Amino acid sequence: DAKTTQPPSMDCAEGRAANLPCNHSTISGNEYVYWYRQIHSQGPQYIIHGLKNNETNEMASLIITEDRKSSTLILPHATLRDTAVYYCMFGGSNYKLTFGKGTLLTVNP
Amino acid sequence: SAVISQKPSRDICQRGTSLTIQCQVDSQVTMMFWYRQQPGQSLTLIATANQGSEATYESGFVIDKFPISRPNLTFSTLTVSNMSPEDSSIYLCSAGMGQNTEAFFGQGTRLTVV
Repeated sequence: DAKTTQPPSMDCAEGRAANLPCNHSTISGNEYVYWYRQIHSQGPQYIIHGLKNNETNEMASLIITEDRKSSTLILPHATLRDTAVYYCMFGGSNYKLTFGKGTLLTVNP
Repeated sequence: SAVISQKPSRDICQRGTSLTIQCQVDSQVTMMFWYRQQPGQSLTLIATANQGSEATYESGFVIDKFPISRPNLTFSTLTVSNMSPEDSSIYLCSAGMGQNTEAFFGQGTRLTVV
């Protein structure tokens, strides 16, 4: 199984940057890092993924360490609607994604 | 991106009966998957739905309990057979566009077995 380690919960003030860490020390060289989030009672939403370079899209930035054993998802200006469970995963070469327990991010007004 | 529609969105079923969940993608996709999310838990992969062949099941899941069909590149069904209250979960369909690309999820089917 593709195992990752994330803090179970984090808080962030509205308007501030949310930095969510993930440890994936067993990742192999050709596996991508993926981030998804799940807002209560909805299906998971894709956020971003990357191999080794930092990535940015309209939702977030992904910073992957040089040794690729950890990464950080950055939501630059968190809003109340960003309150969700955030899942970090790695894999993708066989299309399968293995979900861990994730981090519950609570954005506070 | 792909838009995934699941039917039904929710259902309440009697124990011992079966329910078939449909998953429709708005474009052709390479892979389709079925997940289960038990109350308060993360997602667990049930199986990979293979087009034109038998599904590939993960450990702990068997075809007799969760038969899956995938007749073409945009559609799949998951049947939850001989249901018991322990099958009460959210069942989610996912579709992948290709190797090392993102996968997309439907909104899920919330199943309650009474």
